[in-house]
Amino acid sequence: GAGVSQSPSNKVTEKGKDVELRCDPISGHTALYWYRQSLGQGLEFLIYFQGNSAPDKSGLPSDRFSAERTGGSVSTLTIQRTQQEDSAVYLCASSLGAGQGQRELFFGEGSRLTVL
Amino acid sequence: AQSVTQLGSHVSVSEGALVLLRCNYSSSVPPYLFWYVQYPNQGLQLLLKYTSAATLVKGINGFEAEFKKSETSFHLTKPSAHMSDAAEYFCAVTTTGGGNKLTFGTGTQLKVEL
Repeated sequence: GAGVSQSPSNKVTEKGKDVELRCDPISGHTALYWYRQSLGQGLEFLIYFQGNSAPDKSGLPSDRFSAERTGGSVSTLTIQRTQQEDSAVYLCASSLGAGQGQRELFFGEGSRLTVL
Repeated sequence: AQSVTQLGSHVSVSEGALVLLRCNYSSSVPPYLFWYVQYPNQGLQLLLKYTSAATLVKGINGFEAEFKKSETSFHLTKPSAHMSDAAEYFCAVTTTGGGNKLTFGTGTQLKVEL
């Protein structure tokens, strides 16, 4: 696609429910990232996929968070048993790769999650 | 480990005045540095990047930044602010050993007043 596409753009859920957030990266981009943006917290790295390598999950805040990337393209971020502190904007980004000239991240518009 | 500090969570300037947004980084190896801009309800857009070539980097919309290793700084400037520059600005760092993930600062909200 022309840009990184995320869905849904807005999601309101009740505490304890599971949610899935989807990211469709730019065609041909091998690297995909998830970040979380909370009010006053800046952008927090969650997880990074690069090609067929094992993902870097070092930023996932708890085992309620997981992500997968199918076929090297679309990614889904899943949050189980949501808590109110999970409320944030979840941003997805992609880049051409991991090489020196490939590090520019292109961001989607984000999925705003509100947990009541 | 790498980190970024943005001094001033809110900066206000008059239209036509100089814009200066501060960014200091911490990295044990040579860094790659970025400035991103985020307009309301939108994703982040790359303004400019430093990747060890020229230390003075020019970006879009008249912005530029200078990499100063001695000061571990990468401040963003624009000679004359425009109302359309009002947005949130994020500085970010990555390194060759950083797994390619960007570490972001907490952002600076720029307000431009008439």
